[in-house]
Amino acid sequence: QVQLVESGGGVVQPGRSLRLSCAASGFIFSDYIMHWVRQAPGKGLEWVAVISYDESKKHYVDSVKGRFTISRDNSNNTLYLQMNSLRPEDTAVYYCAQSSGRRNGAFEIWGQGTMVTVSS
Amino acid sequence: DIQMTQSPSSLSASVGDRVTFTCRASQSISSYLNWYQQKPGKAPKLLIYAASNLQSGVPSRFSGSESGTDFTLTISSLQPEDFATYYCHQSYGTPFTFGQGTKLEIK
Repeated sequence: QVQLVESGGGVVQPGRSLRLSCAASGFIFSDYIMHWVRQAPGKGLEWVAVISYDESKKHYVDSVKGRFTISRDNSNNTLYLQMNSLRPEDTAVYYCAQSSGRRNGAFEIWGQGTMVTVSS
Repeated sequence: DIQMTQSPSSLSASVGDRVTFTCRASQSISSYLNWYQQKPGKAPKLLIYAASNLQSGVPSRFSGSESGTDFTLTISSLQPEDFATYYCHQSYGTPFTFGQGTKLEIK
């Protein structure tokens, strides 16, 4: 079945780095635009980053520009989020999500999320 | 950035009630408005895309509409499994943004 599975979360000290992965299955990964969305504890959803089918286009929310990098490996059906210079305010559950032009860019499929805690 | 404002922030209702959630965009987003349902500890689930289109597998008691920059999500007859938090989301342009959510609670 169509599935996204995130991994790589954990507890990290401020200023350190972490790389999240999102393994896709059940669909043609290279056909879809992919996103990262996060949710701080008890808070709402915040879009983080998007990457086009072929990695030619990437966009980020201002709060992570210059610190986070989104990438993908279409041959291995995997999405990544490299997070550098982490801050306590980056603490959140991070979700990967798939969007499609057929749904006006709506996020149709979501992973289960991976928790990132930035704390000393 | 496009701001999405949801109202109310919380709502108490009973099984069988008709409820409506509202979302207002700070500028025109055409029909690039989507609605999600999120239950505690779970990922969001797409309910409505392009303002008024029901996602496959979502019960027909959910519906969406638009009027300019105002969008509504309606549940025609609340079921016990509908008590959750609902988010609107604009996919018109980056940075994509979500409303702050409306928490639907049992009265």
